[in-house]
Amino acid sequence: DADVTQTPRNRITKTGKRIMLECSQTKGHDRMYWYRQDPGLGLRLIYYSFDVKDINKGEISDGYSVSRQAQAKFSLSLESAIPNQTALYFCATSDPTGDFYGYTFGSGTRLTVV
Amino acid sequence: AQSVTQLDSQVPVFEEAPVELRCNYSSSVSVYLFWYVQYPNQGLQLLLKYLSGSTLVKGINGFEAEFNKSQTSFHLRKPSVHISDTAEYFCAVSNRDDKIIFGKGTRLHILP
Repeated sequence: DADVTQTPRNRITKTGKRIMLECSQTKGHDRMYWYRQDPGLGLRLIYYSFDVKDINKGEISDGYSVSRQAQAKFSLSLESAIPNQTALYFCATSDPTGDFYGYTFGSGTRLTVV
Repeated sequence: AQSVTQLDSQVPVFEEAPVELRCNYSSSVSVYLFWYVQYPNQGLQLLLKYLSGSTLVKGINGFEAEFNKSQTSFHLRKPSVHISDTAEYFCAVSNRDDKIIFGKGTRLHILP
């Protein structure tokens, strides 16, 4: 099983619909992140959470919300989807306390808003 | 605040030729530096990282990078590329207490 699992892998939704992207991890990491990837723009941080009670906005949080249900689960919601939220979304986890420092990424969710 | 600039959005190179992907960063504190690779239709995979110690870092698939503090650079190199190296490469910067900031990516095209 993958260390970081994102569901769904692909989703097409209509403008104005609410949609939730889910992320779960088996790494035991406290820190979790949501990024979106757009061609030519790299990865941009949407929200991040350093523990269950800690939620922080990233550089492009408008139009998004998150929920950290448990250490292992971090969900991203689009309250009212719009076409320019069409992108590839990645969840990641990290543990800055160990010898290895860096992100473990999920496989991504490709979201299309029509 | 930290930032990362990848100087080339696309780099074409012939198979078996050497390649260098350039990355410059800015930060007011000590940094950790990373290169990630994204193969077509896949997620991101850590290629190599610099945390401390030797400035020459070796990663997977024959890649290496050199941390140059005076020039604030962390360029990625490979002496001989293969068609399987076709991918997008992301340079990233962080400090231990903060999130990772990614560059905009460099697409590596391997020409036959």
